[in-house]
This record gives sequence, C-alpha cells and structure tokens, in this order.
Amino acid sequence: AQSVAQPEDQVNVAEGNPLTVKCTYSVSGNPYLFWYVQYPNRGLQFLLKYITGDNLVKGSYGFEAEFNKSQTSFHLKKPSALVSDSALYFCAVRGGSYIPTFGRGTSLIVHP
Amino acid sequence: DAGITQSPRYKITETGRQVTLMCHQTWSHSYMFWYRQDLGHGLRLIYYSAAADITDKGEVPDGYVVSRSKTENFPLTLESATRSQTSVYFCASGQPLYGYTFGSGTRLTVV
Repeated sequence: AQSVAQPEDQVNVAEGNPLTVKCTYSVSGNPYLFWYVQYPNRGLQFLLKYITGDNLVKGSYGFEAEFNKSQTSFHLKKPSALVSDSALYFCAVRGGSYIPTFGRGTSLIVHP
Repeated sequence: DAGITQSPRYKITETGRQVTLMCHQTWSHSYMFWYRQDLGHGLRLIYYSAAADITDKGEVPDGYVVSRSKTENFPLTLESATRSQTSVYFCASGQPLYGYTFGSGTRLTVV
C-alpha cells in the first residue's frame, strides 16, 4: 500500500520569508511524487513532479521540491513567499500503480 | 476549448434521488478518476478508469456507479443520494508519467 503524510494542517509564514511545506511518503518500488495547489473554490492545479534524476525539482510559480530517498520525504519550498501563495497544498505519490494517493493537504497562509 | 470540464458546478438534491455528475476531457487521456473532498479527509478516490469500458473501485465506492463508454466522458452516478454524500467532487484525467489535471469540481448538497 502507498501513503502520504502531510504532518502540518497549517503553515504560517510572513511575506518575503522562505516557506516549507512538508511531505513524507511510503510506497513500494520507485516513487513518483507530485505537488498540487488548490485555491478557494477551484480544482487542484499541478505544481511539479519528481520521476527520476535530480533531487531538486523546479516547478511553477517559483516553487521547488527536494526529494530525499533516505528520509522518504518530498518537501515543497519557495525562497520568498508571496501573499498570493496562500492556498491549500497537496502532496501525492504513486508507485507501480497509476493511481496516485493524496495527502490530507496543508493550508499555507502568507501574512503581509 | 481543450481541458477537463465538470457539470454542474453546484447541485442541491433530495435524499433518495438519483444524481449524475458529468466529466468531459478533450485530451483523449486514458486515465480518469473521481475523488471526493471533505474536511479532515483530504481527497478520497471513488472510482477510476484506465480506458474506455475499464473501470474499478477506489477507496470509497459504496453508493456510486460509473461508466465509461467513450474515452472522453466519465460520469459518476449517485444511485440514491444520502446526506453523507454531501461533498465536493473532482474529476481528473491524465497520463501516469506526467501527472493529472483536475476539473473545477461539483459541489453537491444532499438535503
């Protein structure tokens, strides 16, 4: 079975500061990892993915994520947060199956 | 327009009624999914499909039925709606290596 844990329901950060949204996973075989963002009353939007290769993955809107195989983590990061980054963020994983499993989501609040 | 569309955006129905939520994608993606989103539960998989005429149950399939006679359409039917099925429903499509694209969702209220 595959699973994702997002240990923080909410992350608060001041605008201009770096942000990290945490994600750990469990899966058989090589992981395929994804981050999605959801703005209010909208569907999920794809941010970035890790399939293979460099452990640091760059995505949309200045976000990046670091894959750490030994810690089974895939934390989402951004060097300088914007108020407009405030949203719900979902981490997802899949292994050999094509079906992704999503975490419960982390609400990111960026304060002006 | 290319994309994935869900209809209706909002629906209020009575307990016991049959309701169908529509999902249409224009990319000819093989894989399609239905999720429900509830506070405290995140996204839970209801049904999924690898191709036309191939569907399978997800984590929470009870009370739901799907069909996929054409690649581009994946309707979700609540056979007899219950209050516990009040939720936001998302359809997604895509290819495994590239990630999945989500529709804007249907907010369903069962009264």
